[in-house]
Amino acid sequence: KNEVEQSPQNLTAQEGEFITINCSYSVGISALHWLQQHPGGGIVSLFMLSSGKKKHGRLIATINIQEKHSSLHITASHPRDSAVYICAVSNTDKLIFGTGTRLQVFP
Amino acid sequence: EAGVTQFPSHSVIEKGQTVTLRCDPISGHDNLYWYRRVMGKEIKFLLHFVKESKQDESGMPNNRFLAERTGGTYSTLKVQPAELEDSGVYFCASSQDLAINEQFFGPGTRLTVL
Repeated sequence: KNEVEQSPQNLTAQEGEFITINCSYSVGISALHWLQQHPGGGIVSLFMLSSGKKKHGRLIATINIQEKHSSLHITASHPRDSAVYICAVSNTDKLIFGTGTRLQVFP
Repeated sequence: EAGVTQFPSHSVIEKGQTVTLRCDPISGHDNLYWYRRVMGKEIKFLLHFVKESKQDESGMPNNRFLAERTGGTYSTLKVQPAELEDSGVYFCASSQDLAINEQFFGPGTRLTVL
């Protein structure tokens, strides 16, 4: 069992839909990261959070430390949101990654 | 400010050959990380440099992999001799402050071993 689990693995949505990606972890962490990777592209950091909630544009990330769970929400999804979304946790000096969620948003 | 850069972007080699990957971190970032994603699996940690010192190399798969960061600037990751299972995407990341540990990723090097 991976130390960081994401669900779903694949997600298809119509433009405008509200999207939620979930992440659960089983190790102690200092922070949780949400990352984005477009096809053929590099990895971009979306959020780093250790408590509560952060919002950037149409993206919202929440974390519940007691339940060891985080969610990434995308409101009013758009085809340009199509990418792989990766949850990772900071454990000592390194990141431990989930397998990623592949999101496709169709017009 | 330039981001993390990696070279080459793609390398195709035959089993048994040697390949050297390079990473240039963001200027001033003391922390440099190497990660790898093999097909169908999650990205995994390989090692962490603080300046020129190896802070944690617990993720290095075996002694065919050698990482260096002479002078504490750019880093190289050499695979010698390469095996089929080494194929994957190798990412480098850097961070300025370990306490905050916001890591900035390079575009990755896709290594294909035939």
